[in-house]
Amino acid sequence: EIVMTQSPVTLSVSPGERVTLSCRASQSVSSNLAWYQQKPGQAPRLLIYGASTRATGIPARFSGSGSGTEFTLTISRLQSEDFAVYYCQQYSNWPPLTFGGGTKVEIK
Amino acid sequence: EAQLVESGGGLVQPGGSLRLSCVASEFTFNAYPMNWVRQAPGKGLEWVSYIGSSSSPIYYADSVKGRFTISRDNDKNTLYLQMNSLRAEDTAVYYCARMYSSSRLKIFDPWGQGAQVTVSS
Repeated sequence: EIVMTQSPVTLSVSPGERVTLSCRASQSVSSNLAWYQQKPGQAPRLLIYGASTRATGIPARFSGSGSGTEFTLTISRLQSEDFAVYYCQQYSNWPPLTFGGGTKVEIK
Repeated sequence: EAQLVESGGGLVQPGGSLRLSCVASEFTFNAYPMNWVRQAPGKGLEWVSYIGSSSSPIYYADSVKGRFTISRDNDKNTLYLQMNSLRAEDTAVYYCARMYSSSRLKIFDPWGQGAQVTVSS
């Protein structure tokens, strides 16, 4: 099973700041990585797949990068609606499909 | 816009059973694999089960194998999760999720709003 590790667990930032979230895989997943956003009381929403391709309707301020075992989700200028928990998910080697533990982006 | 609506959650005693349903609309249900993903209180996401578009193949997480059964009725646009021998650690919000699947993609989009399952005496 591929273990996904996200860091940091919590990130305190101010609106307008640039945010970088990290996701590490226990073995190479190539570019088979997705990112999801989950707001309180809501279902997750797909943001990024293929490590760097934005899903339909996702604003350009969200970008993904990386391959192999190291990945990054960047939010160029954080807006109020971006405060949420972000999860990475690998789909390189499955079953099982595995998620990281999540990074909570909170208001500073 | 594709939509998924879960139902069937509730409070059940340890060792009991529950069946979740997920009704799909606004997309061709029989063309997509489907999944169940759960989230324990205050925790992250855990994939539970996968079913192919024609009910094959089927996969389960080790944590539910032998106790949970996934199925679908393509005529009714409905996905099911039969949960038996429930344990306290099965307490979670259960989401159904459509899968975009290809040789290179296994991603979840969209997700239902979730069904709360609580296992407690």
